[in-house]
Amino acid sequence: IQMTQSPSSLPASVGDRVTITCRASQSISSYLNWFQQKPGKAPNLLIYAASTLEGGVPSRFSGSGSGTDFTLTISSLQPEDFAIYYCQQSYSVPFTFGQGTKLEIK
Amino acid sequence: EVQLSESGGGLEQPGGSLRLSCAASGFTFSSFAMNWVRQAPGKGLEWVSSISATGGDTYYADSVQGRFTISRDNSQNSLYLQMNNLRAEDSAVYYCAKDDYFWGSYRYMLYWGHGTVVTISS
Repeated sequence: IQMTQSPSSLPASVGDRVTITCRASQSISSYLNWFQQKPGKAPNLLIYAASTLEGGVPSRFSGSGSGTDFTLTISSLQPEDFAIYYCQQSYSVPFTFGQGTKLEIK
Repeated sequence: EVQLSESGGGLEQPGGSLRLSCAASGFTFSSFAMNWVRQAPGKGLEWVSSISATGGDTYYADSVQGRFTISRDNSQNSLYLQMNNLRAEDSAVYYCAKDDYFWGSYRYMLYWGHGTVVTISS
């Protein structure tokens, strides 16, 4: 299953509402996870099962979608949110990741 | 507190072998599937391999199938990745990650180690 994220790079400003899209090459139901990664660090799980927020993750993060089309939304960007975001399908092996979306300061 | 700590990375020549280890603590290791995920320099995340809780089922990415072997020792709370016939493109940070489940079927990786660096170069 191929996972395609868009955009690859997203310039944005603090306070902006941003949306990252992830598309699966076939239906994966809601078996979709979102990760945030900062330089030199391991990935940090934000959302699992497409829309369930992991404990401790700020409520400005939200996920939606099912089937093949998914979105990660950050309602009001904070300085600490500038990072790379990955989607990953857990529907079937290999558990593929998207190529990543780099959220950059505009 | 769940902790995962990888070791065993280093510099190896093409065609060589390395064995990565991941020491786990803070949870009942024998109850959870485990994963290896890697990240080449400046690149994205790539799932490498998974192993079931008992070790009876193993899965691999096509890129490592036949060269890498995942295993575990539940008595030692340890996960391993034996990497043979290494290639330059295997150079990456290798992370171990614990599987968790939501409603028994939605799986996700909440806990990750810090990673160990593998460099394949002559």
